[in-house]
Amino acid sequence: AQKVTQAQTEISVVEKEDVTLDCVYETRDTTYYLFWYKQPPSGELVFLIRRNSFDEQNEISGRYSWNFQKSTSSFNFTITASQVVDSAVYFCALSGGTGGTSYGKLTFGQGTILTVHP
Amino acid sequence: DAGVIQSPRHEVTEMGQEVTLRCKPISGHNSLFWYRQTMMRGLELLIYFNNNVPIDDSGMPEDRFSAKMPNASFSTLKIQPSEPRDSAVYFCASSARQGHYGYTFGSGTRLTVV
Repeated sequence: AQKVTQAQTEISVVEKEDVTLDCVYETRDTTYYLFWYKQPPSGELVFLIRRNSFDEQNEISGRYSWNFQKSTSSFNFTITASQVVDSAVYFCALSGGTGGTSYGKLTFGQGTILTVHP
Repeated sequence: DAGVIQSPRHEVTEMGQEVTLRCKPISGHNSLFWYRQTMMRGLELLIYFNNNVPIDDSGMPEDRFSAKMPNASFSTLKIQPSEPRDSAVYFCASSARQGHYGYTFGSGTRLTVV
């Protein structure tokens, strides 16, 4: 079985602060994929990043960065110099890779509500 | 590409009525997923199809829910009879190679059962 835990239910910051959203996962699969999605107030689910389990390189995309640590089963997401437009619910998700018991099945964490105040 | 297309965007129905939600996946994607989002339970996977065949329907809440995928470009999720506790946002998503390249979500259908 797969499980994704986002321990932070809500985070509130002031614009330009850096903020890190935590994600811890559990899986028995040896190959798997990790994702982050953003859900703005309009409600759609916007894909941010996909990372496979055998690629532990951190990734940076503009103000966004992701830290994948297989040893601690964590895939944390940092927003640098946050902006009001970053206010949204952020979901971490996990799917099993080829041959795994959860192959193709995307499991979401409960989400973290981020509010960035001007 | 138009993305994953869901209809209707909003649906209000009376308890006991049949509700049908529709989804058109991205052309070429061979996996399709139905999710339900509520405040209490978050995003739950209801069912997913691979090459039009249901692979895992363990998330379907009860017999009132049914899903079909008659061809590669269309899927339905039906609730009969509907109940107020079915009120939620229902998302459809599609992917190629069972998520190997990621999942694309539709805009969702907000269902309200009164």
